[in-house]
Amino acid sequence: GAGVSQSPSNKVTEKGKDVELRCDPISGHTALYWYRQRLGQGLEFLIYFQGNSAPDKSGLPSDRFSAERTGESVSTLTIQRTQQEDSAVYLCASSPLGLETASTDTQYFGPGTRLTVL
Amino acid sequence: ELKVEQNPLFLSMQEGKNYTIYCNYSTTSDRLYWYRQDPGKSLESLFVLLSNGAVKQEGRLMASLDTKARLSTLHITAAVHDLSATYFCVNQFYFGTGTSLTVIP
Repeated sequence: GAGVSQSPSNKVTEKGKDVELRCDPISGHTALYWYRQRLGQGLEFLIYFQGNSAPDKSGLPSDRFSAERTGESVSTLTIQRTQQEDSAVYLCASSPLGLETASTDTQYFGPGTRLTVL
Repeated sequence: ELKVEQNPLFLSMQEGKNYTIYCNYSTTSDRLYWYRQDPGKSLESLFVLLSNGAVKQEGRLMASLDTKARLSTLHITAAVHDLSATYFCVNQFYFGTGTSLTVIP
């Protein structure tokens, strides 16, 4: 079946512009996660959606970052007034169940969006 | 305060050798995951460890979990070149820094 998809795959923008990144999770997955991976580094948690619960936004680095999710489907990550330090690969993942369950909640990752801020 | 600490960061080993990657975590969740990332690619799930003493094996990789010590290990047996990649341990949604493994023929 289809995996997690993300668009665009690459985005080059100028400093100060707003960007919107899209994630289509696997159908039926209730949980969705956004991460940021800077060059040569590990993944930095940004935000977590679980069903209709309030999202966990504790990883968002500043108020320039925001994310929305429509029900249990598409999510968009918006970065306003982009800065050069925002350059990174933004990865989205989804899992069948959320972190609160006792069952496995393996995350399935999308291919990422490579954002370059000039 | 790092929630997930992983070491070593870089590991170069010869084919046929054994080695262990260590992962310490500090969150209250005892679920631990291992992922693999090939250069330029996204992440692939390797193991899910849910309880104390859990051990999972797949091919030349074996992962274990000690919830009392809050420690997980990823053991590599008789390494082959195809295992070259970066390995991440994950607790909740906190990732370790990754271990970049290079297996030398």
